[in-house]
Amino acid sequence: EAGVTQSPTHLIKTRGQQATLRCSPISGHTSVYWYQQALGLGLQFLLWYDEGEERNRGNFPPRFSGRQFPNYSSELNVNALELEDSALYLCASSLAYRDTEAFFGQGTRLTVV
Amino acid sequence: SQKIEQNSEALNIQEGKTATLTCNYTNYSPAYLQWYRQDPGRGPVFLLLIRENEKEKRKERLKVTFDTTLKQSLFHITASQPADSATYLCALVEGNNDMRFGAGTRLTVKP
Repeated sequence: EAGVTQSPTHLIKTRGQQATLRCSPISGHTSVYWYQQALGLGLQFLLWYDEGEERNRGNFPPRFSGRQFPNYSSELNVNALELEDSALYLCASSLAYRDTEAFFGQGTRLTVV
Repeated sequence: SQKIEQNSEALNIQEGKTATLTCNYTNYSPAYLQWYRQDPGRGPVFLLLIRENEKEKRKERLKVTFDTTLKQSLFHITASQPADSATYLCALVEGNNDMRFGAGTRLTVKP
């Protein structure tokens, strides 16, 4: 069974541009989480989607946005990129009910120059 | 404000010893708590889950405890090996499935 897949693996953008990151959850998983991990730091919660709806978002500016599609895949958009947005962006998926582990993708390494 | 604190950024131990990692939280009411392992440049991998009404869980050389009164979880790796060297993350999940992580502890097991 395929795991969580993220694309692209690496992304280089110029300050001010927009970046789009994609995540395909494990088949049957309806919850998708997005996290930002800057170099040497912990996972900062960005967004959580379940059943196509945004359930919660972390303390990030509105230029970080996303959506979840009917097939439960998800997209993270970052507008007006800043140098400090350079980080590993991780997506995780889980089943909707409680007491269940999350499965992570390998991440998208975004570099803003 | 809500906080998840893991005891230290880095922990160095000798092979064969027991590693003990701490996760403390404030202003959370977790339904359950999870521990993950993360290797450099890779996504975290699930290790163990413990529910709010459980005191202890074991899996092979791993043991996790959960004290909701102290608001603390301890994660133990017994008979540690150099291959256990990684960053270990605790994650709190509240009743609505909102999942938040601590900053992690980087464990180094020296031969």
